Amino acid sequence: EAQVTQNPRYLITVTGKKLTVTCSQNMNHEYMSWYRQDPGLGLRQIYYSMNVEVTDKGDVPEGYKVSRKEKRNFPLILESPSPNQTSLYFCASSLDRYTGELFFGEGSRLTVL
Amino acid sequence: AQTVTQSQPEMSVQEAETVTLSCTYDTSENNYYLFWYKQPPSRQMILVIRQEAYKQQNATENRFSVNFQKAAKSFSLKISDSQLGDTAMYFCAFMNFIREDKIIFGKGTRLHILP
Repeated sequence: EAQVTQNPRYLITVTGKKLTVTCSQNMNHEYMSWYRQDPGLGLRQIYYSMNVEVTDKGDVPEGYKVSRKEKRNFPLILESPSPNQTSLYFCASSLDRYTGELFFGEGSRLTVL
Repeated sequence: AQTVTQSQPEMSVQEAETVTLSCTYDTSENNYYLFWYKQPPSRQMILVIRQEAYKQQNATENRFSVNFQKAAKSFSLKISDSQLGDTAMYFCAFMNFIREDKIIFGKGTRLHILP
């Protein structure tokens, strides 16, 4: 089954404790992206990757890191989480940057205390 | 910069009625796609419909259709014969497929289908 898998789905952590949200897709997609969703703000892009070893900042990259060592994986790293990073996070992938059809994961709800 | 505006934060309609969700966007480009994505209470976002800007014909997917007015920069979604399963947050989105590497989303419209 074609899918984008994120883990964990839910996480409560404390300020400053490094965490990683994993994202994996099994569709051989080139393009992958991370979004955060906050009430009243819609979805905002954090980082994206057009292919292996190619990543770039989105609209709200501060406080986040990503890597793309393999085509299928695109982890989101919060080196020192802060309460303003409490949010619902979505990973998405697309065949390439031109098609525009994104396939989303189920979301990861992160709470930073 | 491109922007996407959804002016209706929340709407409610009775089951089986037709509902229209509004979306306007701002761009100076000619080569772009427009999308409507649906996010049901289960949270996973799925694509509802896509429109290429160079196509004059409005896209249709079963009960879902769009009214694409390029000159007015308007892209509304019509849901016919609405069903309880249509209850969701709907996001309008824009993508310039020549120069941009991202899809810009509106803030969403929460749609409630009432039994």
